[in-house]
Amino acid sequence: AQTVTQSQPEMSVQEAETVTLSCTYDTSESDYYLFWYKQPPSRQMILVIRQEAYKQQNATENRFSVNFQKAAKSFSLKISDSQLGDAAMYFCAYYRYTGNQFYFGTGTSLTVIP
Amino acid sequence: DGGITQSPKYLFRKEGQNVTLSCEQNLNHDAMYWYRQDPGQGLRLIYYSQIVNDFQKGDIAEGYSVSREKKESFPLTVTSAQKNPTAFYLCASTNREDEAFFGQGTRLTVV
Repeated sequence: AQTVTQSQPEMSVQEAETVTLSCTYDTSESDYYLFWYKQPPSRQMILVIRQEAYKQQNATENRFSVNFQKAAKSFSLKISDSQLGDAAMYFCAYYRYTGNQFYFGTGTSLTVIP
Repeated sequence: DGGITQSPKYLFRKEGQNVTLSCEQNLNHDAMYWYRQDPGQGLRLIYYSQIVNDFQKGDIAEGYSVSREKKESFPLTVTSAQKNPTAFYLCASTNREDEAFFGQGTRLTVV
């Protein structure tokens, strides 16, 4: 069974600094997608960034980038120049083509300190 | 604007009652999903549907039922058989790039 592990229930970062959120996953598949979703206090889930497993290049989206280590089954999210609006719960998600299912981690609550 | 609409935002259920949560999308997405979110447990899949008139159980389907009579609509019924229904429920759909789009959620409370 696929599992997604986020080992940091809570993280904090000073405004304008950089923070890295960790995620590991377990799978026997060779092709899949990985995502980071953000859930602010409004509870609306927002897609932050995605990574296709077949791509070696790490995805970037403005201040957000990932470190994808396929062999280690690791998918961390780096947020640069942190802003107050980045404060939210962040979920790592694995998407399996077979069955078209998402598997979510338990989330990391990020606090941004002014 | 295109999106996913869940209603109501807050729902209260008495013991022994069935309640139905609405999920409508105008994104023309084929696949739709229902998740339950509890503190410290992330999102757990209840049911999903890849196409009209077809749906599959997820990891925690017991006590829930769904229908998919129209592409746009995927309602979730929480039955009296669900012993602990108080939770936040999220509906989602995926586009052709397998990106999930979520509704704003329904908070269900048993009173």
